[in-house]
Amino acid sequence: KAGVTQTPRYLIKTRGQQVTLSCSPISGHRSVSWYQQTPGQGLQFLFEYFSETQRNKGNFPGRFSGRQFSNSRSEMNVSTLELGDSALYLCASSLTSGATWGTQYFGPGTRLLVL
Amino acid sequence: ILNVEQSPQSLHVQEGDSTNFTCSFPSSNFYALHWYRWETAKSPEALFVMTLNGDEKKKGRISATLNTKEGYSYLYIKGSQPEDSATYLCALGDGGATNKLIFGTGTLLAVQP
Repeated sequence: KAGVTQTPRYLIKTRGQQVTLSCSPISGHRSVSWYQQTPGQGLQFLFEYFSETQRNKGNFPGRFSGRQFSNSRSEMNVSTLELGDSALYLCASSLTSGATWGTQYFGPGTRLLVL
Repeated sequence: ILNVEQSPQSLHVQEGDSTNFTCSFPSSNFYALHWYRWETAKSPEALFVMTLNGDEKKKGRISATLNTKEGYSYLYIKGSQPEDSATYLCALGDGGATNKLIFGTGTLLAVQP
């Protein structure tokens, strides 16, 4: 069974640009969550999508948005990039939502560098 | 705001040593506690999901215990091997109708051959 895949793996952008990251969950999984890791910080929750609906959103500015497609693939978008957006972005897939006792499987992440 | 703390921040041990780390969390409104192992340049790997007070889980040489009344979980590695070198993360399920996890900053384990 294929794992969670994220594309691209690495990305370099300049301030003010926008970026779109993609996450394909494990086949059959319907929930996708996104996390950001910056140096010295733990993984910070961005948002979760389930059945094409945003279920929860973390404490991030509106420049961070996401969506989920009918095949459960998810994208996150960051507009008007700032230097502080440089981070590793991870997505996690899970069978369902509202079950924090369920195992969540992570992808390898997309490393974004903003210059 | 829920806060998850892990200690120590880093640990250097010799091959064959046994070691343990701590994850502390608020004891009220507990839902679930997750442990992950994260090797450099790889995906975080799920180790355990623990939900009940007194839970003990084991996977090979790695085991974990949970005390929800006092708000802590221990992860033990018996006879550490160089391939155990990784960052070990714990995460608290936020409950509610979502899968949100609140992560600690991790314990970095380095096992010297």
